[in-house]
Amino acid sequence: DAGVIQSPRHEVTEMGQEVTLRCKPISGHDYLFWYRQTMMRGLELLIYFNNNVPIDDSGMPEDRFSAKMPNASFSTLKIQPSEPRDSAVYFCASSLTGTPIYEQYFGPGTRLTVT
Amino acid sequence: GNSVTQMEGPVTLSEEAFLTINCTYTATGYPSLFWYVQYPGEGLQLLLKATKADDKGSNKGFEATYRKETTSFHLEKGSVQVSDSAVYFCALRSGGYQKVTFGIGTKLQVIP
Repeated sequence: DAGVIQSPRHEVTEMGQEVTLRCKPISGHDYLFWYRQTMMRGLELLIYFNNNVPIDDSGMPEDRFSAKMPNASFSTLKIQPSEPRDSAVYFCASSLTGTPIYEQYFGPGTRLTVT
Repeated sequence: GNSVTQMEGPVTLSEEAFLTINCTYTATGYPSLFWYVQYPGEGLQLLLKATKADDKGSNKGFEATYRKETTSFHLEKGSVQVSDSAVYFCALRSGGYQKVTFGIGTKLQVIP
């Protein structure tokens, strides 16, 4: 399998612009997670989905952030409008129910810089 | 709620030195415990795991033992290599939930 795929790998944008991050989970996995990683706050869970349905979005910082999963093989995380404090590495991960350890497989991340 | 506390980094060691990275946790029920590793420019990878008290997880020369009495899961390696330089995350998953709680991460730098 190709693993979790994220695009773009790097994104530089100006404050106020809309940013869309994309994720393709491992085929067959039924859970998808979005994380944000910063030096100050470490790794934070933003939202996760089960069978394309959002289960817990309590980590989403504010209304500027939204996430969708229109089908089992694609998810987006959108920031509108973006702000400099959104600069971080955003990771997508997926996992499969029923496996003994529910291991999460991470993508390579998208490094977002908002100027 | 669940939480994971890791020692602050960075940790700098010479090659072949002994490594310990401390991790303690707070959780409801009987959590599963994990160590993840993040190499520069990459996502996190599962390094090792333990699902019940006294289990020892091991992989690539790293070990960690699930200590329920001290709520700890310290990571150890007898002889580190330059290639072990990375950020190490302690994590837990509690009950039937998919949500994993991560520690802040500890950066390890191994110098020749």
